[in-house]
Parts: sequence; C-alpha cells; structure tokens
Amino acid sequence: EVQLVESGGGLVQPGGSLRLSCAASGFTFSNYGMSWVRQAPGKGLEWVSYIGSSGTTMYNAGSVRGRFTISRDNAKNSLYLQMNSLTAEDTAVYYCARSPTRIPPGHFDSWGQGTLITVSS
Amino acid sequence: EIVMTQSPATLSVSPGERATLSCRAGQGISSNLAWYQQKPGQAPRLLIYGASTRATGIPARFSGSGSGTEFTLTISSLQSEDFAVYYCQQYNNWPVTFGQGTKLEIK
Repeated sequence: EVQLVESGGGLVQPGGSLRLSCAASGFTFSNYGMSWVRQAPGKGLEWVSYIGSSGTTMYNAGSVRGRFTISRDNAKNSLYLQMNSLTAEDTAVYYCARSPTRIPPGHFDSWGQGTLITVSS
Repeated sequence: EIVMTQSPATLSVSPGERATLSCRAGQGISSNLAWYQQKPGQAPRLLIYGASTRATGIPARFSGSGSGTEFTLTISSLQSEDFAVYYCQQYNNWPVTFGQGTKLEIK
C-alpha cells in the first residue's frame, strides 16, 4: 500500500523558516516524480513545487520561487521542502503527492494526509 | 499560467440523481486533465486522469469527458459518500493549476 506521511508543520513567525518532510513507503520511491501541493484554510488547491525522480529536475510555482526549495533523498525514501522567508500567505496544509507519469508535470495519484503550517506572530 | 474555471461553484442534487460538473481551461490542454474528490479534513483523492480514465478503485458511476478546453465530470447516480468538493487540474503546462472547486451538496 502506498503511504505518504508528512511532518514538520507548525507555527512559525513571519520571515521564519521551516523544513517539511514526507516519508514514502509501499512503492519504489526513486521511480516517481513528487510534488508539494498546499491548501490555505477554506480555499482550493495550489501546486507549489515538483521534483523529478532522480532529483535533477525541479519546478516551482511563481508564488514561492526563490523562497522554497524542494529536494529528495531516494536512499531514505524521503521528500523535503525547505521554506524560507515565510509570510502569512504561506499558511496552509501542505500535502506531498506522487506523480505517476513518466513525463512531467502529470497528475497526482497518491497524497499524504497533510501537515499544517501557520505563519503568524 | 492556464486558468481553470469550474462551474457551478455549488451544485445541489438529490441522492440517486445525476450530477454534472464542468471545468473550462483558459487555453487548450488536450486531454491532460484530472479530477479529484475532497471530503472535509481529508486529502484529495484522484478520480479521473487523462480526462476520461478512471483511477484504480473508482466506481463506474464516475465518468469524465472532454478535450481541449471543455471538460465534464458526471456522477451517474449519487451516493451519500459522493457529497464533497471536486477539483479539476490541468497538467499540460507548467505551472500545474487547479480549478477553484465545485461543492456537491445534498438537495
């Protein structure tokens, strides 16, 4: 069974940093591109960042470019999101999601349960 | 960025009836469209990809159609567990974009 488990969420002050993790199991992690998708409270879904299966290809949404960095460790079956210069607009539940297509971007066939980031003083 | 527009924002339907949800892309996206279902407090669940292919384990009452800029998700006979928010997503171009969602509520 595919499992994606996010961690690292919490309360952070504006301008602060946070690192999210996503632990993957139940599939060959190194074969799949992965993304982070967020959802602000009461709002819709917003794709944030993508990383290819080998870790050499990355794309970011314009809203986070220059502030967020996606990475992965295939040996540890883990996905990460380093978030810097956080603002209130970054407050959201952050989901990691798997992309099953060989050619990105692709859709998302498995999602974690999400981790909440609250940016507030 | 490709803007995805879903309609209606809220759809009220009785159990057992058919529901039809629409999604329009701001430019042509071929068949690179997915549909997701999200219930309160839960992660989204993939229903349809490639505009019309049901994901693993999705009941046959869910069907998708369309290509280019106009897409439809049809739920043929609504069950109680189908009342949720539905999102479309295009993956033809970066950045990936989602529609704003359609809330399907019990009439």
